[in-house]
Amino acid sequence: EAQVTQNPRYLITVTGKKLTVTCSQNMNHEYMSWYRQDPGLGLRQIYYSMNVEVTDKGDVPEGYKVSRKEKRNFPLILESPSPNQTSLYFCASSLGVWGSGNTIYFGEGSWLTVV
Amino acid sequence: ELKVEQNPLFLSMQEGKNYTIYCNYSTTSDRLYWYRQDPGKSLESLFVLLSNGAVKQEGRLMASLDTKARLSTLHITAAVHDLSATYFCALLKIGGNTPLVFGKGTRLSVIA
Repeated sequence: EAQVTQNPRYLITVTGKKLTVTCSQNMNHEYMSWYRQDPGLGLRQIYYSMNVEVTDKGDVPEGYKVSRKEKRNFPLILESPSPNQTSLYFCASSLGVWGSGNTIYFGEGSWLTVV
Repeated sequence: ELKVEQNPLFLSMQEGKNYTIYCNYSTTSDRLYWYRQDPGKSLESLFVLLSNGAVKQEGRLMASLDTKARLSTLHITAAVHDLSATYFCALLKIGGNTPLVFGKGTRLSVIA
């Protein structure tokens, strides 16, 4: 079954404590991306990756890091989380270039609260 | 900068009625997506519209794309309670790997 798997699904953490949200897809997709969803703002892209070792900033990259060492994994790293990073996070993947019309698959979401 | 504007942002409609959600965007694009999201859940792909004049239908939902007007519509026919959800349109600029840009979403509530 085609899947994008995120972990953890729910996390409460404290300000400044480094954390990683993992994302893995089993579809051999080239393109992966991270979004955050906040009330009234829709989904905003944090980082995206076109292939292994190729990453780029989205609209709201501040406070986040990513890496793409393997095709299937695209972890999101919060080096020093702050309360304004409390949000619902989604990982997404797609077979090829976004614009080719390929379906974009989303993970189940990760609820992150920073206190 | 590509901007995507949906309206209405909130919609309460009676079962059996028809309604349309609008998605306007600011720059040329011919790749438009519609998603559905249930509360606390992930996004479910509904439609991908790839060219001017494209129309796709699935059940009570029909989506269309007018690239000249920079407008996509999601039409709901004879609404039922199960359609209650938040609907997002999203698109990207032609010719690049730029981020997929989402509208703010339309929260639809279908009431008896």
